[in-house]
Amino acid sequence: DAKTTQPTSMDCAEGRAANLPCNHSTISGNEYVYWYRQIHSQGPQYIIHGLKNNETNEMASLIITEDRKSSTLILPHATLRDTAVYYCIVRVGDNYGQNFVFGPGTRLSVLP
Amino acid sequence: DVKVTQSSRYLVKRTGEKVFLECVQDMDHENMFWYRQDPGLGLRLIYFSYDVKMKEKGDIPEGYSVSREKKERFSLILESASTNQTSMYLCASLPLNPGLYGYTFGSGTRLTVV
Repeated sequence: DAKTTQPTSMDCAEGRAANLPCNHSTISGNEYVYWYRQIHSQGPQYIIHGLKNNETNEMASLIITEDRKSSTLILPHATLRDTAVYYCIVRVGDNYGQNFVFGPGTRLSVLP
Repeated sequence: DVKVTQSSRYLVKRTGEKVFLECVQDMDHENMFWYRQDPGLGLRLIYFSYDVKMKEKGDIPEGYSVSREKKERFSLILESASTNQTSMYLCASLPLNPGLYGYTFGSGTRLTVV
């Protein structure tokens, strides 16, 4: 599975959009981009995933560049409860039995 | 709402004890995983299972074993607990085709070995 690179930490003002970047320049054509987040002392939580097209759900939007070498997770109106570590993972979508590899992620701090 | 349930949130055990961490999922997922998470080291895979009675070693299996007698239950066993196994343990499940949601994690068990 392709390696990802994320900033170590970011700050965002409450109510503003949080834009979390991820580089995955070696991504293959059949690899999905997944985003998870982990709030302190809890298990990681699925946010969103995509292959080529931009995606949106009730939690966030995922913007994938046309060449698929990078993506951005957008939290449109960040709240204090969005403070967490955010993980970007790329993985073959139907890779039987294979695990997801979690890097260090980006620690997002939403400030009042 | 789909769930992965870990039997204990906090656990304190003595060195040398045999410790069982239980994980149950209600989603009929084929794959189940045990991770440990330590500050600065991220999530590290201990063992995973892709079917009943099947198991595969992850990156750090030493000192651990697992059991999967039923599809919904995946147990992590510390045969003789040691202080360096003090950690947060996370269980996760994954369907055969994870294209939809990927992992579902439990809330974690924070184990302290004294």
